[in-house]
Formats: sequence, C-alpha cells, structure tokens
Amino acid sequence: EAGVAQSPRYKIIEKRQSVAFWCNPISGHATLYWYQQILGQGPKLLIQFQNNGVVDDSQLPKDRFSAERLKGVDSTLKIQPAKLEDSAVYLCASSLLVAGVNTDTQYFGPGTRLTVL
Amino acid sequence: GQQLNQSPQSMFIQEGEDVSMNCTSSSIFNTWLWYKQDPGEGPVLLIALYKAGELTSNGRLTAQFGITRKDSFLNISASIPSDVGIYFCAGLGGNQFYFGTGTSLTVIP
Repeated sequence: EAGVAQSPRYKIIEKRQSVAFWCNPISGHATLYWYQQILGQGPKLLIQFQNNGVVDDSQLPKDRFSAERLKGVDSTLKIQPAKLEDSAVYLCASSLLVAGVNTDTQYFGPGTRLTVL
Repeated sequence: GQQLNQSPQSMFIQEGEDVSMNCTSSSIFNTWLWYKQDPGEGPVLLIALYKAGELTSNGRLTAQFGITRKDSFLNISASIPSDVGIYFCAGLGGNQFYFGTGTSLTVIP
C-alpha cells in the first residue's frame, strides 16, 4: 500500500515570497491533516479536512496560510507571504476516521522542509 | 491546542540496555499512537493502541494503553544503534490527535 506522498521535500525561499506544498494521502483515507513542526517540537496541527470539508483550522494563520482539498483527495497548503518564523517542516498526514468509530490511526508523509531566508 | 506531557525529554543509554518512556494527558483518549522520527523524515508509526489496558508488541517494542485512558508507556528492549531518534506519543481525543513533546534517544555503542 502506498504511503502519504508529499512534494517538494525541500524548499528555500526569501521572506515575503510565496510557496506551496502538495500532499496525496493514502488511498481511501477520508481525513487529511497539515502540521507544522518546528525543530525540537512535536507536530502542531494547522488544518484538518474530512473529505473536502474543513474540520478544524483554528491554529492556521489565515492572514498568510491557506489550504484546500477540492476533490476530497489531494491537498495543497500555501504560504503567502512567507516570514522567517515559517521555517519548519510541514507534515501531511491522513487517517480513515470512520464515522461512528472513535478509534483511528494516523500516517505521516516524509514532510517538506521549508527554509525562509 | 493541548500538548501531552512526555518524559523523559532525552535519554542517553548504552547499547543493549532497555528503555522506558511515557506520556500523560489531562484528558481521556480513545487511541494512543507511538511514532519514531529520524532527522529529515516524517514520523513513522510504531504501535497503535485502541483499548484501555491493551498491551501490544512490535518486535523489541512494547506499548501499553493506561487503564485510566490518560497515559501510555513505550518500552524498547535490548536497544541497538538504529533505535536512535525522537519518539513521539499521540492521543486521539474527539476527532483530533494531540502530540507529546518527544523523547530524544541516543544509543551509545
């Protein structure tokens, strides 16, 4: 079974530029997550989709970050304009999250390491 | 968002020693997950736990879902150099996963 795919793996940009990350979840997984991971910390949830709807985006800095999952499969996360403090690894994850079942397992992609200069 | 208390923060052990780490929460969880993350990579799932009291093994790794549903433990037996990395716990509460702060493991040959 193919895992969660992400691209690019690395990106270096200057501050105030824009950048976009792509994620393709495990086939059949209804829920997709974007996390930001600062060096030395655990993943911090940015946005959670169930199919093509947003479940939680309370920690997404909406003035500069946006994400979409138009057809309920792959997703794009964008930062515009980037700031120095956005330097981090951006992780995508997916899970089945079957309705009516309160247990679940989450699988991560390899991440995109963003450096903002 | 809620962050789980994971301890210890770091460990330095000799090859062959056993390792124990744990994760606690103020909330009840329905699922506990343990991940290992190598530098430059995404977290890789090691063990998933779905029931209070459940004890599950994966090779030299054993994890337990605490009976109160507010904690979980991960043990690694007979550590080897490739066990080096950062170990994260995650708990599922409601429909969101919450993560620990990570335990950095160094194995000295």
